[in-house]
Amino acid sequence: DQQVKQNSPSLSVQEGRISILNCDYTNSMFDYFLWYKKYPAEGPTFLISISSIKDKNEDGRFTVFLNKSAKHLSLHIVPSQPGDSAVYFCAASAGGSEKLVFGKGTKLTVNP
Amino acid sequence: DSGVTQTPKHLITATGQRVTLRCSPRSGDLSVYWYQQSLDQGLQFLIQYYNGEERAKGNILERFSAQQFPDLHSELNLSSLELGDSALYFCASSVGDRGHADTQYFGPGTRLTVL
Repeated sequence: DQQVKQNSPSLSVQEGRISILNCDYTNSMFDYFLWYKKYPAEGPTFLISISSIKDKNEDGRFTVFLNKSAKHLSLHIVPSQPGDSAVYFCAASAGGSEKLVFGKGTKLTVNP
Repeated sequence: DSGVTQTPKHLITATGQRVTLRCSPRSGDLSVYWYQQSLDQGLQFLIQYYNGEERAKGNILERFSAQQFPDLHSELNLSSLELGDSALYFCASSVGDRGHADTQYFGPGTRLTVL
Protein backbone atom coordinates (compact mmCIF):
# COMPACT_ATOMS: atom_id res chain seq x y z
CA ASP A 1 0.00 0.00 0.00
CA GLN A 2 1.70 3.14 -1.27
CA GLN A 3 1.00 5.85 1.31
CA VAL A 4 3.08 8.45 -0.54
CA LYS A 5 2.66 8.60 -4.29
CA GLN A 6 4.62 10.40 -6.93
CA ASN A 7 2.67 9.63 -10.06
CA SER A 8 5.08 11.16 -12.55
CA PRO A 9 8.21 9.02 -12.94
CA SER A 10 9.88 11.75 -14.96
CA LEU A 11 9.67 15.43 -15.86
CA SER A 12 11.59 17.46 -18.41
CA VAL A 13 11.78 21.28 -18.37
CA GLN A 14 13.81 24.00 -20.02
CA GLU A 15 16.44 25.91 -18.10
CA GLY A 16 14.99 29.08 -16.58
CA ARG A 17 11.43 27.76 -16.52
CA ILE A 18 9.48 26.50 -13.51
CA SER A 19 9.65 22.84 -12.44
CA ILE A 20 6.64 21.53 -10.54
CA LEU A 21 6.92 18.14 -8.87
CA ASN A 22 3.82 16.63 -7.33
CA CYS A 23 3.17 14.25 -4.46
CA ASP A 24 -0.03 12.77 -3.03
CA TYR A 25 -0.49 10.98 0.27
CA THR A 26 -3.22 8.82 1.71
CA ASN A 27 -2.44 8.70 5.42
CA SER A 28 -4.25 11.56 7.18
CA MET A 29 -1.93 11.11 10.18
CA PHE A 30 1.02 12.50 8.24
CA ASP A 31 1.89 15.91 9.63
CA TYR A 32 5.37 16.60 8.33
CA PHE A 33 6.53 16.47 4.75
CA LEU A 34 9.96 16.62 3.17
CA TRP A 35 11.61 16.68 -0.23
CA TYR A 36 14.91 15.00 -0.88
CA LYS A 37 17.08 15.24 -3.98
CA LYS A 38 19.25 12.39 -5.21
CA TYR A 39 22.06 12.41 -7.73
CA PRO A 40 23.33 9.14 -9.25
CA ALA A 41 25.73 7.19 -7.03
CA GLU A 42 24.94 9.43 -4.06
CA GLY A 43 22.55 9.21 -1.17
CA PRO A 44 19.46 11.44 -0.95
CA THR A 45 20.04 15.00 0.26
CA PHE A 46 17.47 16.94 2.28
CA LEU A 47 16.03 19.86 0.32
CA ILE A 48 13.07 21.42 2.10
CA SER A 49 10.31 20.52 4.53
CA ILE A 50 6.89 21.71 5.64
CA SER A 51 4.78 21.14 8.70
CA SER A 52 1.06 20.49 8.37
CA ILE A 53 0.33 23.74 10.22
CA LYS A 54 1.64 25.65 7.22
CA ASP A 55 0.60 25.69 3.59
CA LYS A 56 3.79 27.09 2.11
CA ASN A 57 7.50 27.08 2.84
CA GLU A 58 10.13 28.81 0.77
CA ASP A 59 13.90 28.45 0.59
CA GLY A 60 15.57 30.33 -2.21
CA ARG A 61 14.50 28.88 -5.54
CA PHE A 62 12.55 26.08 -3.84
CA THR A 63 9.00 26.39 -2.54
CA VAL A 64 6.84 23.61 -1.16
CA PHE A 65 3.06 23.95 -1.12
CA LEU A 66 0.79 21.80 1.01
CA ASN A 67 -2.93 21.29 0.39
CA LYS A 68 -4.13 19.24 3.34
CA SER A 69 -7.71 18.89 2.17
CA ALA A 70 -6.49 17.36 -1.09
CA LYS A 71 -3.67 15.45 0.63
CA HIS A 72 -1.34 16.91 -1.97
CA LEU A 73 1.97 18.69 -1.92
CA SER A 74 4.12 20.13 -4.63
CA LEU A 75 7.66 21.37 -5.01
CA HIS A 76 8.28 24.38 -7.22
CA ILE A 77 11.75 25.17 -8.51
CA VAL A 78 12.12 28.63 -10.04
CA PRO A 79 14.14 29.18 -12.11
CA SER A 80 15.21 25.66 -12.98
CA GLN A 81 18.90 25.05 -13.61
CA PRO A 82 20.69 22.12 -15.28
CA GLY A 83 22.26 21.28 -11.90
CA ASP A 84 18.76 20.60 -10.58
CA SER A 85 18.59 17.48 -12.76
CA ALA A 86 18.18 14.66 -10.24
CA VAL A 87 15.60 12.32 -8.75
CA TYR A 88 13.32 14.05 -6.27
CA PHE A 89 11.71 12.06 -3.46
CA CYS A 90 8.73 13.19 -1.45
CA ALA A 91 8.60 11.85 2.13
CA ALA A 92 6.22 12.11 5.07
CA SER A 93 6.10 11.34 8.76
CA ALA A 94 3.39 11.17 11.41
CA GLY A 95 3.07 12.20 15.02
CA GLY A 96 6.50 13.69 15.43
CA SER A 97 8.13 10.43 14.40
CA GLU A 98 11.48 10.37 12.65
CA LYS A 99 10.28 7.39 10.59
CA LEU A 100 9.94 8.58 6.99
CA VAL A 101 7.69 7.12 4.30
CA PHE A 102 9.04 7.85 0.84
CA GLY A 103 7.48 8.04 -2.59
CA LYS A 104 9.10 6.32 -5.57
CA GLY A 105 10.64 9.52 -6.88
CA THR A 106 10.40 11.74 -9.94
CA LYS A 107 13.37 12.12 -12.25
CA LEU A 108 13.75 15.77 -13.23
CA THR A 109 15.76 16.72 -16.29
CA VAL A 110 16.51 20.39 -16.88
CA ASN A 111 17.61 21.00 -20.44
CA PRO A 112 20.03 23.86 -21.22
CA ASP B 1 29.72 14.68 1.24
CA SER B 2 27.10 14.06 3.93
CA GLY B 3 29.61 12.82 6.48
CA VAL B 4 27.92 9.41 6.62
CA THR B 5 30.09 6.56 5.38
CA GLN B 6 28.96 3.14 4.25
CA THR B 7 31.02 0.09 3.39
CA PRO B 8 31.27 -1.73 1.14
CA LYS B 9 30.04 0.22 -1.89
CA HIS B 10 29.20 -2.92 -3.80
CA LEU B 11 28.58 -6.48 -2.69
CA ILE B 12 27.90 -9.49 -4.88
CA THR B 13 26.96 -12.73 -3.22
CA ALA B 14 24.93 -15.89 -3.73
CA THR B 15 21.53 -16.96 -2.49
CA GLY B 16 21.56 -18.43 0.98
CA GLN B 17 24.59 -16.43 2.07
CA ARG B 18 24.93 -13.88 4.86
CA VAL B 19 26.38 -10.37 4.55
CA THR B 20 27.08 -7.44 6.85
CA LEU B 21 26.73 -3.82 5.81
CA ARG B 22 28.46 -1.17 7.85
CA CYS B 23 27.59 2.47 8.53
CA SER B 24 29.43 5.24 10.34
CA PRO B 25 27.22 8.21 11.22
CA ARG B 26 28.16 11.89 11.09
CA SER B 27 30.18 13.07 14.04
CA GLY B 28 27.83 13.89 16.89
CA ASP B 29 24.79 12.11 15.48
CA LEU B 30 23.21 9.57 17.82
CA SER B 31 20.51 8.16 15.53
CA VAL B 32 21.12 5.74 12.69
CA TYR B 33 18.50 4.63 10.17
CA TRP B 34 18.55 1.87 7.57
CA TYR B 35 16.56 2.01 4.33
CA GLN B 36 16.19 -0.39 1.42
CA GLN B 37 15.61 0.79 -2.14
CA SER B 38 14.63 -1.96 -4.55
CA LEU B 39 14.37 -1.43 -8.30
CA ASP B 40 11.84 1.29 -9.16
CA GLN B 41 10.81 1.62 -5.54
CA GLY B 42 11.03 4.40 -3.03
CA LEU B 43 13.17 4.05 0.02
CA GLN B 44 11.63 1.64 2.52
CA PHE B 45 12.40 2.28 6.16
CA LEU B 46 13.84 -0.76 7.88
CA ILE B 47 14.97 0.20 11.36
CA GLN B 48 16.27 3.05 13.54
CA TYR B 49 18.71 3.01 16.44
CA TYR B 50 19.33 5.80 18.90
CA ASN B 51 22.42 5.74 21.07
CA GLY B 52 22.67 1.97 20.92
CA GLU B 53 19.00 1.18 21.45
CA GLU B 54 16.38 0.23 18.87
CA ARG B 55 13.94 3.14 18.54
CA ALA B 56 11.68 2.31 15.60
CA LYS B 57 11.09 -0.63 13.33
CA GLY B 58 9.68 -0.72 9.82
CA ASN B 59 9.09 -3.59 7.43
CA ILE B 60 12.29 -5.36 8.29
CA LEU B 61 12.36 -9.07 7.52
CA GLU B 62 13.16 -11.54 10.29
CA ARG B 63 16.20 -12.63 8.25
CA PHE B 64 17.57 -9.11 8.70
CA SER B 65 18.96 -7.69 11.92
CA ALA B 66 20.85 -4.59 12.93
CA GLN B 67 22.73 -3.18 15.86
CA GLN B 68 24.41 0.03 16.91
CA PHE B 69 27.68 -0.21 18.76
CA PRO B 70 29.06 1.96 21.61
CA ASP B 71 31.09 3.99 19.10
CA LEU B 72 27.72 4.63 17.33
CA HIS B 73 28.55 2.84 14.11
CA SER B 74 25.87 0.45 12.95
CA GLU B 75 25.76 -2.83 11.11
CA LEU B 76 22.92 -4.36 9.11
CA ASN B 77 23.09 -8.14 8.87
CA LEU B 78 21.24 -9.88 6.06
CA SER B 79 21.04 -13.67 6.16
CA SER B 80 19.62 -16.49 4.04
CA LEU B 81 19.77 -14.10 1.14
CA GLU B 82 17.24 -14.34 -1.67
CA LEU B 83 17.28 -12.86 -5.16
CA GLY B 84 14.68 -10.31 -4.06
CA ASP B 85 17.07 -8.89 -1.47
CA SER B 86 19.10 -7.32 -4.28
CA ALA B 87 18.77 -3.60 -3.66
CA LEU B 88 20.48 -0.41 -2.60
CA TYR B 89 20.79 -0.18 1.16
CA PHE B 90 21.11 3.31 2.59
CA CYS B 91 22.14 4.36 6.02
CA ALA B 92 21.22 7.77 7.38
CA SER B 93 22.06 9.55 10.59
CA SER B 94 20.64 12.44 12.56
CA VAL B 95 21.14 14.19 15.86
CA GLY B 96 18.21 12.17 17.18
CA ASP B 97 16.54 14.55 19.57
CA ARG B 98 14.32 16.74 17.38
CA GLY B 99 11.58 14.36 16.31
CA HIS B 100 10.37 14.79 12.76
CA ALA B 101 12.35 18.00 12.36
CA ASP B 102 15.54 16.02 12.73
CA THR B 103 17.24 16.16 9.34
CA GLN B 104 18.44 12.78 8.17
CA TYR B 105 21.77 12.75 6.34
CA PHE B 106 22.22 9.82 3.98
CA GLY B 107 25.30 7.86 3.08
CA PRO B 108 26.07 6.87 -0.52
CA GLY B 109 24.56 3.43 -0.11
CA THR B 110 25.68 -0.17 -0.53
CA ARG B 111 24.53 -1.94 -3.67
CA LEU B 112 23.82 -5.58 -2.91
CA THR B 113 23.48 -8.06 -5.75
CA VAL B 114 22.33 -11.58 -4.93
CA LEU B 115 22.98 -14.11 -7.71
